[in-house]
Amino acid sequence: DTGVSQNPRHKITKRGQNVTFRCDPISEHNRLYWYRQTLGQGPEFLTYFQNEAQLEKSRLLSDRFSAERPKGSFSTLEIQRTEQGDSAMYLCASSSPGLDVLQVQFFGPGTRLTVL
Amino acid sequence: AQTVTQSQPEMSVQEAETVTLSCTYDTSESDYYLFWYKQPPSRQMILVIRQEAYKQQNATENRFSVNFQKAAKSFSLKISDSQLGDAAMYFCAYRSARGSNYKLTFGKGTLLTVNP
Repeated sequence: DTGVSQNPRHKITKRGQNVTFRCDPISEHNRLYWYRQTLGQGPEFLTYFQNEAQLEKSRLLSDRFSAERPKGSFSTLEIQRTEQGDSAMYLCASSSPGLDVLQVQFFGPGTRLTVL
Repeated sequence: AQTVTQSQPEMSVQEAETVTLSCTYDTSESDYYLFWYKQPPSRQMILVIRQEAYKQQNATENRFSVNFQKAAKSFSLKISDSQLGDAAMYFCAYRSARGSNYKLTFGKGTLLTVNP
């Protein structure tokens, strides 16, 4: 499968614990995005990378959140000291710099986080 | 900031019939892109159709077509000959054509049910 993959698919944690999610984009895609989707809402932008550089972060991304993309390949999203309000689906998407000016984003299946 | 509104939380359609999902957006920009994504239950989001704002011609992809009214800031999706596999959450999304952050701004979604 050459699509965007995310691991784990589900994560249940206790409040106060740290969690880390991984996203593997489509191999030739240099742009990678993280979104958060809560129940009954559309995805909301969190942050994005162009290669290994994190170029923008949403105000939704508090200091407890950190994202990395070493070597411009896979990306990780870490949440420290989780809170119940962090419970959501975390989506990763990637896009190609190619000839498609629309830079269509391809989404992964998401990681569903439940904070107890 | 741009906003996207989907005023129909739920819609239903009989198999083989036609259904239209509505989407309006608010922006001060003149150049942008619009998308419809489909999110089947427990599956990843996939692109259904896309539209460049500078194009007057409405986009069409097989049974899916849009009615793009730029002055009214409206971007509705028409699904013809509805199939059971069309049942999903549908999200309308906006992307600015300016800058280098190609983040998507999503509406809250419309849950489409297809009745046999």
